[in-house]
Amino acid sequence: DTAVSQTPKYLVTQMGNDKSIKCEQNLGHDTMYWYKQDSKKFLKIMFSYNNKELIINETVPNRFSPKSPDKAHLNLHINSLELGDSAVYFCASSQGGARGKTQYFGPGTRLLVL
Amino acid sequence: GNSVTQMEGPVTLSEEAFLTINCTYTATGYPSLFWYVQYPGEGLQLLLKATKADDKGSNKGFEATYRKETTSFHLEKGSVQVSDSAVYFCALLKYGGSQGNLIFGKGTKLSVKP
Repeated sequence: DTAVSQTPKYLVTQMGNDKSIKCEQNLGHDTMYWYKQDSKKFLKIMFSYNNKELIINETVPNRFSPKSPDKAHLNLHINSLELGDSAVYFCASSQGGARGKTQYFGPGTRLLVL
Repeated sequence: GNSVTQMEGPVTLSEEAFLTINCTYTATGYPSLFWYVQYPGEGLQLLLKATKADDKGSNKGFEATYRKETTSFHLEKGSVQVSDSAVYFCALLKYGGSQGNLIFGKGTKLSVKP
């Protein structure tokens, strides 16, 4: 009965490859997010998305693209992986984005680019 | 712009010691404030939150009060346990339109020794 799940948990790949990380939430939420946590544990928003709007953090390279087949899923596609993409990626969801709405996080996907 | 500053870690305490982790924020308007906890190897869990000035969030013996006059949301616990060892993140919810995203501090690692 996991609320927000991500697959895979670990991903090791070579530079230049294309990979995807999947995220699913069973909370009935309408808004989903992707965050990146770097090696120093710093967390930063990458995308937020609901059925009305995709908001992209301006610092995210266009090699990263979110894809949402339905309200319960927001997958992250990464093209031409680079060493600097190594990080932990967290998916989250909430019901709306307004005041006080709690975001619930998945367990994270640890990506290592060699 | 919006930002969160929390005290640098690591913080090392003995069991049953008093804990304070300082957090201050800069924001336009009246953001909601959160503390998230990340146990080793796991994702982020909501610890507590406050949505308006003078609100006190509390959970598992942790407390934090939303102080608008000092723009602070310090985390406190009267008696820490070894199981509280984790990284603690202070965050504010920046929202606009239909969505909001969390802006995190850099995290404070807490180690509690028996």
